[in-house]
Amino acid sequence: AQSVTQLGSHVSVSEGALVLLRCNYSSSVPPYLFWYVQYPNQGLQLLLKYTSAATLVKGINGFEAEFKKSETSFHLTKPSAHMSDAAEYFCAVSDRVTGNQFYFGTGTSLTVIP
Amino acid sequence: DTGVSQDPRHKITKRGQNVTFRCDPISEHNRLYWYRQTLGQGPEFLTYFQNEAQLEKSRLLSNRFSAERPKGSFSTLEIQRTEQGDSAMYLCASSSGQPQETQYFGPGTRLLVL
Repeated sequence: AQSVTQLGSHVSVSEGALVLLRCNYSSSVPPYLFWYVQYPNQGLQLLLKYTSAATLVKGINGFEAEFKKSETSFHLTKPSAHMSDAAEYFCAVSDRVTGNQFYFGTGTSLTVIP
Repeated sequence: DTGVSQDPRHKITKRGQNVTFRCDPISEHNRLYWYRQTLGQGPEFLTYFQNEAQLEKSRLLSNRFSAERPKGSFSTLEIQRTEQGDSAMYLCASSSGQPQETQYFGPGTRLLVL
């Protein structure tokens, strides 16, 4: 079965600082990997996804993530945090064969300090 | 493309009452998913449809939960005899059906059971 671990339920960074949100997956076969962002009282919005093309994936709002098979990781980064980046971030995996459901991590709440 | 819509956005009900939520997917998407999200957690898969066929329902939380997608377009999620533990955000998503395809989420219905 697929599973996702997000280390750090809360991350605080200063405005302009590097953002690093961690995601590790557990799967015998590398899954498809997704990062979503959720603003308060809203649904989830896709930031980026990895589907076995380039291992470095660029997404919206300046975010990117790198798939590292050896580390079973898909960490999300952004070089310079903006106040508008404050939100909840979820990593999710999808089985390559069926893609019947997403397995989500517990989320990381990002706070940006002015 | 108007996105995934859900109705209502908020529902307050008394314990023991039945509630029904509606989801309208993106029109060309043949897969529709329901998730539940409780405070501080990632979305938890409940069930999904391929067109009008419900292909996975073993993850529905109890037999009080049921879902339909009668014409392969909109879907409804019903909870009978609600309990306080059912209070959560219920999210709907749709996709084109390929495993690598993004699931697009609606804004959710927030349920409060008193």
